[in-house]
Amino acid sequence: SAVISQKPSRDICQRGTSLTIQCQVDSQVTMMFWYRQQPGQSLTLIATANQGSEATYESGFVIDKFPISRPNLTFSTLTVSNMSPEDSSIYLCSVEDRTSFYYNEQFFGPGTRLTVL
Amino acid sequence: AQSVTQLGSHVSVSEGALVLLRCNYSSSVPPYLFWYVQYPNQGLQLLLKYTSAATLVKGINGFEAEFKKSETSFHLTKPSAHMSDAAEYFCAVSPTHTGKLIFGQGTTLQVKP
Repeated sequence: SAVISQKPSRDICQRGTSLTIQCQVDSQVTMMFWYRQQPGQSLTLIATANQGSEATYESGFVIDKFPISRPNLTFSTLTVSNMSPEDSSIYLCSVEDRTSFYYNEQFFGPGTRLTVL
Repeated sequence: AQSVTQLGSHVSVSEGALVLLRCNYSSSVPPYLFWYVQYPNQGLQLLLKYTSAATLVKGINGFEAEFKKSETSFHLTKPSAHMSDAAEYFCAVSPTHTGKLIFGQGTTLQVKP
């Protein structure tokens, strides 16, 4: 299975600033996703990170607020822009490799806990 | 649109008792279904998955789930609870081949000594 790391693991930020979260996988994967888990809530998909092209965003999420990059098959970033306290959440990266034995299984990173003051 | 409903946000059982966590889904086509566990301050770990093969799926840590199309359910069970099973459990559905996961609201499992 894939091993996923995220940086930073946690951060406290001031409103109006931006934070970029990195997701690194130890092997090439076909699909990468970004989820948000608000306090005491379930996970909501933000977008699918597409390698070499613009991310595909879910309803309610826009590129200006959550720009995503995926320059290669092992790395992606999510930026939370112009933050407000409502952005305080855990942000998780997940991956799925459709060329491997683990087809249809998503593996999750440890998450980035963001607090916006 | 597909959705997932987990009945009971909190479930409390005694150590050694049966664990039953309920999950119902809505989908116009047979979906892929998953159960994930989240321990405190950790990421999600896959317990088991259903992808249109056997309807009774066995997972890690002694958990299993049965896909019942007639009831649109995918309940998670474990015959005997351990203290280490205390965690948050999420049921999720994926529209076939999209890779996206739609999560239920989660169920917190408490195991009492």
